[in-house]
Amino acid sequence: KQEVTQIPAALSVPEGENLVLNCSFTDSAIYNLQWFRQDPGKGLTSLLLIQSSQREQTSGRLNASLDKSSGRSTLYIAASQPGDSATYLCAAPLGAAGNKLTFGGGTRVLVKP
Amino acid sequence: EPEVTQTPSHQVTQMGQEVILRCVPISNHLYFYWYRQILGQKVEFLVSFYNNEISEKSEIFDDQFSVERPDGSNFTLKIRSTKLEDSAMYFCASKTQGTVNTEAFFGQGTRLTVV
Repeated sequence: KQEVTQIPAALSVPEGENLVLNCSFTDSAIYNLQWFRQDPGKGLTSLLLIQSSQREQTSGRLNASLDKSSGRSTLYIAASQPGDSATYLCAAPLGAAGNKLTFGGGTRVLVKP
Repeated sequence: EPEVTQTPSHQVTQMGQEVILRCVPISNHLYFYWYRQILGQKVEFLVSFYNNEISEKSEIFDDQFSVERPDGSNFTLKIRSTKLEDSAMYFCASKTQGTVNTEAFFGQGTRLTVV
């Protein structure tokens, strides 16, 4: 059974600092890992999906890495801005069919101006 | 940009009442999902749906829950007799394909409050 964990649960950084968000998973036979952003009381916005065959995936200021052997994915956000304040969730598909995602608990990020 | 749309954004209902949560998935998507997030807890899978039938469901998805695709665009989640513990944010998601490496797109959620 895949377990997904995100530590820390909350993070506060000054504007301009790079953000490093961690996601750990227990089953290294992972097909991919998806990162989401969630604003308070709002839905889930997909940020990046990184395939198991990839080591990194980039979109603008966002870069996600995936290390299957260590059971970790990291989301880097360069030059953070107050608008990056949100909760960031990672999720991995459970099973080969990938019909359901297992989510981490999220990291709540506050970027202070 | 195409998006998954959910209505209503917030619903308050009395315990024991039936509720229907509505979703309009992205138009060319074929695989549909419901997830929920109880306040302060992880997002958890409820059910997946393809070709007009449930393909997988979790332990949470008991006989009180049902899903339907009544027409070509809507996908609904019905809770027959709501309980206090059904209070949560409910998310609809869709994918173009059921393959594991296809990205899932989520709606903005419906906040259900059972009183």
